[in-house]
Amino acid sequence: GQSLEQPSEVTAVEGAIVQINCTYQTSGFYGLSWYQQHDGGAPTFLSYNALDGLEETGRFSSFLSRSDSYGYLLLQELQMKDSASYFCAVRDLTGRRALTFGSGTRLQVQP
Amino acid sequence: DADVTQTPRNRITKTGKRIMLECSQTKGHDRMYWYRQDPGLGLRLIYYSFDVKDINKGEISDGYSVSRQAQAKFSLSLESAIPNQTALYFCATSAWTSGRHEQYFGPGTRLTVT
Repeated sequence: GQSLEQPSEVTAVEGAIVQINCTYQTSGFYGLSWYQQHDGGAPTFLSYNALDGLEETGRFSSFLSRSDSYGYLLLQELQMKDSASYFCAVRDLTGRRALTFGSGTRLQVQP
Repeated sequence: DADVTQTPRNRITKTGKRIMLECSQTKGHDRMYWYRQDPGLGLRLIYYSFDVKDINKGEISDGYSVSRQAQAKFSLSLESAIPNQTALYFCATSAWTSGRHEQYFGPGTRLTVT
């Protein structure tokens, strides 16, 4: 089966940079996604990497290394509103390319 | 109006009762999903449907059933609710034409089984 590992909690200060790592084990890998979820809210899509390298979207960037089965989400110029849980998810052959989510990383941004 | 809606938003029910959670979408997407989320855990896939005639079991389908009544509607049923089905349930949609394969989530249904 597939599995994903990411840290359970990360703390950083406003204005700083934080990196949330995700390692995965899966078969027939197609891509790695990142989602953000604020407390009490629905997950929202942040990024998707199908190929190796860095994808940048404003203050957020996502990186993928297929050979290392590893990716990360990089958040720059942290703001208080970035306090949320962040989930990596793989799209793979298992379940006909439906998503499998990691257990999430809770990011706490402090003033 | 929200693109993905779920009803009810909150529900308390008793053990053994049958309950249905409903999801509707106006995004025109062909793919729909049901997930459950337990405190401190990620989302686990219950069922997914790639079109009206294509329904598939996910990671944790036991004790659940689904119905895809139309492209825009996907319902989740708990045939005989049990306390460990207490969780937050999310419906999601996606379009197979999207290169990024992003999923759009509804606001969630908080279900408590007593």
